[in-house]
Amino acid sequence: GQNIDQPTEMTATEGAIVQINCTYQTSGFNGLFWYQQHAGEAPTFLSYNVLDGLEEKGRFSSFLSRSKGYSYLLLKELQMKDSASYLCAVLDSNYQLIWGAGTKLIIKP
Amino acid sequence: GAVVSQHPSRVICKSGTSVKIECRSLDFQATTMFWYRQFPKQSLMLMATSNEGSKATYEQGVEKDKFLINHASLTLSTLTVTSAHPEDSSFYICSASEQDYNEQFFGPGTRLTVL
Repeated sequence: GQNIDQPTEMTATEGAIVQINCTYQTSGFNGLFWYQQHAGEAPTFLSYNVLDGLEEKGRFSSFLSRSKGYSYLLLKELQMKDSASYLCAVLDSNYQLIWGAGTKLIIKP
Repeated sequence: GAVVSQHPSRVICKSGTSVKIECRSLDFQATTMFWYRQFPKQSLMLMATSNEGSKATYEQGVEKDKFLINHASLTLSTLTVTSAHPEDSSFYICSASEQDYNEQFFGPGTRLTVL
């Protein structure tokens, strides 16, 4: 079966750095997305990785290792507004988007 | 950037009534639109995928006669929850992509409460 694993919840301090991991087992791979979702709102796009390596975009970076079925989202200089759920999703060989359950990130002052 | 709107944002209805939710891509033509449902503290669950002018493809376990999807144009898709029941209460989110399998842009979601 297809599986996306990410931690249920993480806590970090304002101004610090946090890494949210995602491991996947899917039938094929056509890219991995990270989305941010605030409570009661729809997800917003953060990043897309299809090749191995690190993609940096401001305070957020996303890393992919296809051989390990692994990705992480790195958030730097954390702000209170970064408190949200972070969803990892993989596009499989049928171009279906397989969603992880999301990681709830709690930022403390 | 690509903007997707949804209407209504919130709806409360009585059990047995039908509810229509509209999803519009405002500044691009959406080849494909997706409908998701999300229960509290759970991940997004894809209900169906629709392409303009063709029948929607429903995920396993989603009743196509209960959740009617119409993708009438490249900018509009509608989801009708027919004969809604309290267990249909959920957060319904649509997304749209310009090309098949491209990045999905999400609407703001519709919170449905069935009494």
